[in-house]
Amino acid sequence: AQSVTQLGSHVSVSEGALVLLRCNYSSSVPPYLFWYVQYPNQGLQLLLKYTSAATLVKGINGFEAEFKKSETSFHLTKPSAHMSDAAEYFCAVSVRDDKIIFGKGTRLHILP
Amino acid sequence: GAGVSQTPSNKVTEKGKYVELRCDPISGHTALYWYRQSLGQGPEFLIYFQGTGAADDSGLPNDRFFAVRPEGSVSTLKIQRTERGDSAVYLCASSLGQGLGGYTFGSGTRLTVV
Repeated sequence: AQSVTQLGSHVSVSEGALVLLRCNYSSSVPPYLFWYVQYPNQGLQLLLKYTSAATLVKGINGFEAEFKKSETSFHLTKPSAHMSDAAEYFCAVSVRDDKIIFGKGTRLHILP
Repeated sequence: GAGVSQTPSNKVTEKGKYVELRCDPISGHTALYWYRQSLGQGPEFLIYFQGTGAADDSGLPNDRFFAVRPEGSVSTLKIQRTERGDSAVYLCASSLGQGLGGYTFGSGTRLTVV
């Protein structure tokens, strides 16, 4: 069975600082990995996905994530945080188009 | 349609009543998924359709929950004898179902059982 663990339910960074949201996965077969973002009172939006091509994946809004098989990690980063990045971020895993399993989420706070 | 459409956007019902939540997926998407998101939690898988059939219903919490997709497009999630613990946002998503990864989610139906 697949699962993801997001380290830190809340992360605060200053505007302009590096954003790092951590995700570790567990899967018995090569997984697909995703990051979704959820802004307040809005639906889930796909930020980026890893589907066994390049290990460094670039997404929307300047975010990127690197698949590291040896560390079973898929951490999300952004070089410089903006106030508009404040949201809930979910890491998720699936095997092909089977059900996606989500982590519990990390709420990102941006400090002025 | 252009996106995944869910209706109603909000539903308030009394404990013990029956409710139906509708999902209209993106045209041509063969795979359809239902999730439930409780406050402060990640989305929790309920059921997955490939075409008209339920490929995986292992996430349905009990037999009060049922979902159908009779023509392989629109899906309805049905909840009988609602309980206060059923209050959550019910999310629907669809995909091409070709192993390409990543769904498109609807905005959800916020169900409140009073």
